[in-house]
Amino acid sequence: QSALTQPASVSGSPGQSITISCAGTSRDLGTYNLVSWYQHHPGKAPKLIIYEVIKRPSGVSDRFSGSKSGNTASLTISGLQAEDGADYYCWSYVGSNTWVFGGGTTLTVL
Amino acid sequence: QVQLRESGPGLGKPSETLSLTCSVSGDSVSSRSYYWGWIRQPPGKGLEWIGFMYYSGSTLYNPSLESRVTISVDESKNQFSLKVTSVTAADTALYYCARLNGPGHYFDSWGQGTLVTVSS
Repeated sequence: QSALTQPASVSGSPGQSITISCAGTSRDLGTYNLVSWYQHHPGKAPKLIIYEVIKRPSGVSDRFSGSKSGNTASLTISGLQAEDGADYYCWSYVGSNTWVFGGGTTLTVL
Repeated sequence: QVQLRESGPGLGKPSETLSLTCSVSGDSVSSRSYYWGWIRQPPGKGLEWIGFMYYSGSTLYNPSLESRVTISVDESKNQFSLKVTSVTAADTALYYCARLNGPGHYFDSWGQGTLVTVSS
């Protein structure tokens, strides 16, 4: 089964920008533009923050942006704020009627 | 605004069948625009896709769980359900139900989650 690889953790100071990567292969992320990103504060429901690689749902801050280059999708958070500290997951269709979450990245705002 | 709420026993024994229900308000499980799915998060681990179903009854499951899971819908109650058979401690997790936007393949609404512990 395909796997999407994320760094286990990233950190940044308030006001800085950080980027979380989600690495796949040419057969999945390299083929489909169906990556979405979720913010998850423990004890709460995950929240959709990016869909179809670059689109942002209504109500989500424009500090969140998505992109993709080749087989790797990325989530960038600019102007870091304390409340951005959470777990972040990518999710994508990877072909053959299969979908997968990335392993998740814990963002620490220093 | 769609809302989803999971319900079911919080405790199960090894080898038994786990059954959970997701009640939907603000939308219909018969909607042709969405799939209805289940995701879980074991303690200390990441999210794992379990599967989802379409209003027609067609289902798609994570290949690693396909032999033990069934997702079904009760349109009269506007609910959908998850059954996991032959559970073990590895099935202990926070279980979420969610709505998947079909064309875009993304979960746009989630329940708060319900914790299921498998223990003898």
